[in-house]
Amino acid sequence: DIQMTQSPSSLSASVGDRVTITCRASQSISTYLNWYQQKPGEAPKLLIYAASSLQSGVPSRFSGSGSGTDFTLTISSLQPEDFATYYCQQSYSTPLIFGGGTKVEIK
Amino acid sequence: QITLKESGPTLVKPTQTLTLTCTFSGFSLSSSGEGVSWIRQPPGKALEWLALIYWDDDKRYNPSLKSRLTITKDTSKNQVVLTMTNMDPVDTGTYYCAHRSLGELFDPWGQGTLVTVSS
Repeated sequence: DIQMTQSPSSLSASVGDRVTITCRASQSISTYLNWYQQKPGEAPKLLIYAASSLQSGVPSRFSGSGSGTDFTLTISSLQPEDFATYYCQQSYSTPLIFGGGTKVEIK
Repeated sequence: QITLKESGPTLVKPTQTLTLTCTFSGFSLSSSGEGVSWIRQPPGKALEWLALIYWDDDKRYNPSLKSRLTITKDTSKNQVVLTMTNMDPVDTGTYYCAHRSLGELFDPWGQGTLVTVSS
């Protein structure tokens, strides 16, 4: 199975900050990497697919990059509504593993 | 617009079998390329993919749980059913169904249903 490791597991940031979250795969997954946002009490929501493609309706301050084993999710200017937990997910092969999550909290 | 909603028991006893139903609209599981997946989340923990069923009845399972899981579809009712046998307290969590989009990504998700395993 492909393992997905996210870092950090949590971070504190202020509104307006640039935030970067990293996801590493245990083997190459090309660009088969997706990012989700989950707010407390809500279901996850797709943000980025295929490593760098922005899902329709998602603000342009979100961006993704990477290929192979190393990927990043960047929020260019953190907004109050962005405080949430973010998960990466590999879609290269089953089982379709999620990362452990990164909780973005208010500083 | 695609929507999904999970239904099933909120409380099950240890060793019992859990049956969850995902009722969806906005797409047909008889159409090429479509699929529905189940994903769960223990309280305060990360997401765990469980199973996926495709329009052609191909099924994929998480190997760590495969012996306990069965996923089926009823195309006429727009429903997907997940059964999980031999439930244990560690299986407590929120169970989501999600629409599988091309590239094995999940969008959108249902609201989730909380299942507690306790005697």
